Amino acid sequence: QSVLTQPPSVSAAPGQKVTISCSGSSSNIGNNYVSWYQQLPGTAPKLLIYDNNKRPSGIPDRFSGSKSGTSATLDITGLQTGDEADYYCGTWDNSLSAGGVFGGGTKLTVL
Amino acid sequence: QLQLQESGPGLVKPSETLSLTCTVSGGSISSSSYYWGWIRQPPGKGLEWIGSLYYTGSTYYNPSLKSRVTISLDTSKKQFSLKLRSVTAADTAVYYCASPPRGIVIVPAAMRFDYWGQGTLVTVSS
Repeated sequence: QSVLTQPPSVSAAPGQKVTISCSGSSSNIGNNYVSWYQQLPGTAPKLLIYDNNKRPSGIPDRFSGSKSGTSATLDITGLQTGDEADYYCGTWDNSLSAGGVFGGGTKLTVL
Repeated sequence: QLQLQESGPGLVKPSETLSLTCTVSGGSISSSSYYWGWIRQPPGKGLEWIGSLYYTGSTYYNPSLKSRVTISLDTSKKQFSLKLRSVTAADTAVYYCASPPRGIVIVPAAMRFDYWGQGTLVTVSS
């Protein structure tokens, strides 16, 4: 059971927008940067968003991130079939059990 | 472009030590304001951060694994390694090495991993 809560699955049609949430607490999301990763089947994760809302070079602006309080969200607009993947949020936790943490992951299905 | 490649045994017996190496190419393995990380993923499950090694030599480990794990750096071989002792079937997973990009000021708490190895499956079984 992860300290970061993500919905197990989301779905939307091609061209639509989807939002994936990541809920935490003041010891993690509330006081640290959030990153987001996309994992296509059988491949290593790929960084989509870092420092809450920044995109690495080469990541299209269809992907955007935001953070408010102890929650973060990943928005994907103009959905494509190639976006069908697992998405993970990650951050640091400052509690007594300090260290990196990931959300449980969200499976995106493009209908 | 930094490239990472994991290597090590694909099968480890219960109670023994899992040892993996990540070989770095396309860039220096030693640099200021930099860290190296290990992440694992049990079959069909999510990502689990194992730990990170900062350029200062400081190590940060997942509290649930801390008593069994060691991450170290061998700059002469351009490798960093993972050792996980006293393994059980629950340690069966794909293990990834990962790192952030060069040339920026960054700390392990950023949890930013731009570069990943392709992953290696380690099965714990007798």
